[in-house]
Amino acid sequence: GQQVMQIPQYQHVQEGEDFTRYCNSSTTLSNTQWYKQRPGGHPVFLIQLVKSGEVKKQKRLTFQFGEAKKNSSLHITATQTTDVGTYFCAGPEWSGATNKLIFGTGTLLAVQP
Amino acid sequence: ETGVTQSPTHLIKTRGQQVTLRCSSQSGHNTVSWYQQALGQGPQFIFQYYREEENGRGNFPPRFSGLQFPNYSSELNVNALELDDSALYLCASSIAFNEQFFGPGTRLTVL
Repeated sequence: GQQVMQIPQYQHVQEGEDFTRYCNSSTTLSNTQWYKQRPGGHPVFLIQLVKSGEVKKQKRLTFQFGEAKKNSSLHITATQTTDVGTYFCAGPEWSGATNKLIFGTGTLLAVQP
Repeated sequence: ETGVTQSPTHLIKTRGQQVTLRCSSQSGHNTVSWYQQALGQGPQFIFQYYREEENGRGNFPPRFSGLQFPNYSSELNVNALELDDSALYLCASSIAFNEQFFGPGTRLTVL
């Protein structure tokens, strides 16, 4: 089945540094989504990318979908302590009559003031 | 907040027991998905319901079952609980596999 990998699973940065994470899928995705989960909280939707090569920005966050629609990236400019949390990518897997959404393993971002 | 609610917030059960978790979806959404999230892991898709029918299922045994009601609320039932079923159970409402609006989750502990 489809696998979605995020490496590494933990990243520690100093406040003000940039942060980039990549998400790789073993299969082509119809869309990719990114979520953020604060410690003790639930995942919150950030963005959905649909088109090959698509780039979307949300303030200091930039998301990009790969040309082959197998990978995506999240870039945070000048991290702040409010960026702390685990960032997940996700994509739908279509397999005959079975449809499911696959989440990546997640990357926990720690920001030191 | 998403408008998705789940009950109860916490639950403690013993092995072999059965549990029912409940979810009310966001207004206007007719699709509900359930996920299991173990500590330090990403959400694992259990199944999805659309218009009261199961529309997709992950790699979970048949003792995980669900229902969706005409008002689009949903239940997750787990029979014959095992220790490994201890996790955060998340419900999410959506339109198909587009953005998932998650509820706060139910923390299940199996002793």
